[in-house]
Amino acid sequence: DQQVKQNSPSLSVQEGRISILNCDYTNSMFDYFLWYKKYPAEGPTFLISISSIKDKNEDGRFTVFLNKSAKHLSLHIVPSQPGDSAVYFCAASGDYGGSQGNLIFGKGTKLSVKP
Amino acid sequence: KAGVTQTPRYLIKTRGQQVTLSCSPISGHRSVSWYQQTPGQGLQFLFEYFSETQRNKGNFPGRFSGRQFSNSRSEMNVSTLELGDSALYLCASSLVPGSSKGTQYFGPGTRLTVL
Repeated sequence: DQQVKQNSPSLSVQEGRISILNCDYTNSMFDYFLWYKKYPAEGPTFLISISSIKDKNEDGRFTVFLNKSAKHLSLHIVPSQPGDSAVYFCAASGDYGGSQGNLIFGKGTKLSVKP
Repeated sequence: KAGVTQTPRYLIKTRGQQVTLSCSPISGHRSVSWYQQTPGQGLQFLFEYFSETQRNKGNFPGRFSGRQFSNSRSEMNVSTLELGDSALYLCASSLVPGSSKGTQYFGPGTRLTVL
């Protein structure tokens, strides 16, 4: 039973355009969401996060939107650059019984930004 | 400030053997979590340690164990290795455990191959 789903395994966009990566979750007890970027042979790198009390968080070219009623979040990258090509993981956590904050990851979306 | 370090980076073992992986968290971070990454399952939570105590454990068999030392360094051990244990093992550290209280920062991982 996947609690965090990234339904698109891959996404290809042109350099300079917007990349939109989507993530859905099923557990309403999640209260913190994160995006990580991962290059081959490296560990995931923290990108941006959002608390469930917010609906938007922006950091430079990266913006995360959270729609709690739809249990959906998205990561927007504008403008996309070839160096953004990587696998992006959505993760969620919550301090509810039995969880104590460990991260639940989606399976990732491979983003390819073409020059 | 140095990041999370993991040793060794690569390891080849045969079925039935045991293996110990090491993780040194970011200086000042007291919480260490371990994840297994495989192509089919994505990133899956193994366990989390804080102040030398296991706070949470994922759904893995008892062959997987870990510990944390007083300097916050952590080790994980896998006994009686199986072919399916081949994976990238990732360690993540945070200041304190728990969702919005601390973002987790990942090391480069240890690539374990079981033959």
